[in-house]
Amino acid sequence: DQQVKQNSPSLSVQEGRISILNCDYTNSMFDYFLWYKKYPAEGPTFLISISSIKDKNEDGRFTVFLNKSAKHLSLHIVPSQPGDSAVYFCAASPNRDDKIIFGKGTRLHILP
Amino acid sequence: DTAVSQTPKYLVTQMGNDKSIKCEQNLGHDTMYWYKQDSKKFLKIMFSYNNKELIINETVPNRFSPKSPDKAHLNLHINSLELGDSAVYFCASSRSEGRSTEAFFGQGTRLTVV
Repeated sequence: DQQVKQNSPSLSVQEGRISILNCDYTNSMFDYFLWYKKYPAEGPTFLISISSIKDKNEDGRFTVFLNKSAKHLSLHIVPSQPGDSAVYFCAASPNRDDKIIFGKGTRLHILP
Repeated sequence: DTAVSQTPKYLVTQMGNDKSIKCEQNLGHDTMYWYKQDSKKFLKIMFSYNNKELIINETVPNRFSPKSPDKAHLNLHINSLELGDSAVYFCASSRSEGRSTEAFFGQGTRLTVV
């Protein structure tokens, strides 16, 4: 029962272009969403988050968009850089609960 | 000055053995977690401790027993290891102010049961 779905296992983007990573969720109780980035042989590192009271949060090159009606969020990276090549995990948290539920991840390749 | 550190990084052991994975965080967080990343790459929560008290215990075999001697440590002991226990186990910690916040992860422990 995948409550957080990342349907694209991998994505290749040219350096300098925009990378868009997508995530869908099924649980309407989720009210906090996070993106993590993971390099090989390392743990996931927090990237950016968004609360359900917002529809957009921006931090430098990273922007997360939330569409609650569609239960969809996306991470935009612009411009994409070689160091952005990693696995990106979408995660969500239900209200007043410490559990963070992760998607399977999307591997992003930034092409030179 | 690693924030969340877990040892060992790699662990290869035979079926039936008992092993422990240690985790320590120096961030002053009061919530710690164990996650398992299975062969399908899902990161699934196993346990969560807040101030040394167990608050989340997902459907995990009794062979897995977390132990939190203090707020900064959450160790995972596994009895009678099985082939299906092979996975990468991540420890994490976060501040807890009544809701989830960003969790900081350790580098993971790759457990291989042979």
